[in-house]
Amino acid sequence: KAGVTQTPRYLIKTRGQQVTLSCSPISGHRSVSWYQQTPGQGLQFLFEYFSETQRNKGNFPGRFSGRQFSNSRSEMNVSTLELGDSALYLCASSPTGVVNYGYTFGSGTRLTVV
Amino acid sequence: GESVGLHLPTLSVQEGDNSIINCAYSNSASDYFIWYKQESGKGPQFIIDIRSNMDKRQGQRVTVLLNKTVKHLSLQIAATQPGDSAVYFCAESSRDGNKLVFGAGTILRVKS
Repeated sequence: KAGVTQTPRYLIKTRGQQVTLSCSPISGHRSVSWYQQTPGQGLQFLFEYFSETQRNKGNFPGRFSGRQFSNSRSEMNVSTLELGDSALYLCASSPTGVVNYGYTFGSGTRLTVV
Repeated sequence: GESVGLHLPTLSVQEGDNSIINCAYSNSASDYFIWYKQESGKGPQFIIDIRSNMDKRQGQRVTVLLNKTVKHLSLQIAATQPGDSAVYFCAESSRDGNKLVFGAGTILRVKS
């Protein structure tokens, strides 16, 4: 059974640009959550999608957005990139979104903003 | 390799010794707790979980202890091996159960 797939693995962008990251969940999982990991702030929740609806959102500016498609694949977008957006972006998929059942992380996309 | 936590506390242990990693959680209303292991270049990997109605749970070579009075979790790893070297995070679940709040993490280094 394939795991959670995140693409691309590495990305370098320039300040002011925008970026789109992709997450393909485990087959049958309908929930995708996104987290940002930085050395300074650790792992922080960005948002969670279930059946194409955002159910929960963390404390991030509006430059961070996401969506989920009918096949449960999710994308997150960051507009007007800042140096501080450099981070490892992780997604987790689960059957229903409840963290105590089948919550599985991908390997992440490492974004570097220069 | 990549470093996920440049300023995290570090625990160095000798191969074969037992390791104890501690974590203070923030929300007394949290009712579900997880320990994750993260190796360089990978996402967090589930190790063991515990619900708030328990104070101890054992897995293979790992034990989690929960002290709700002082909002403290610990992860005990028996007979630590070089493959256990990683960053370890505790996480707590919100009441709605669909997001995790992570602790800062601890680097475990195992010396052979």
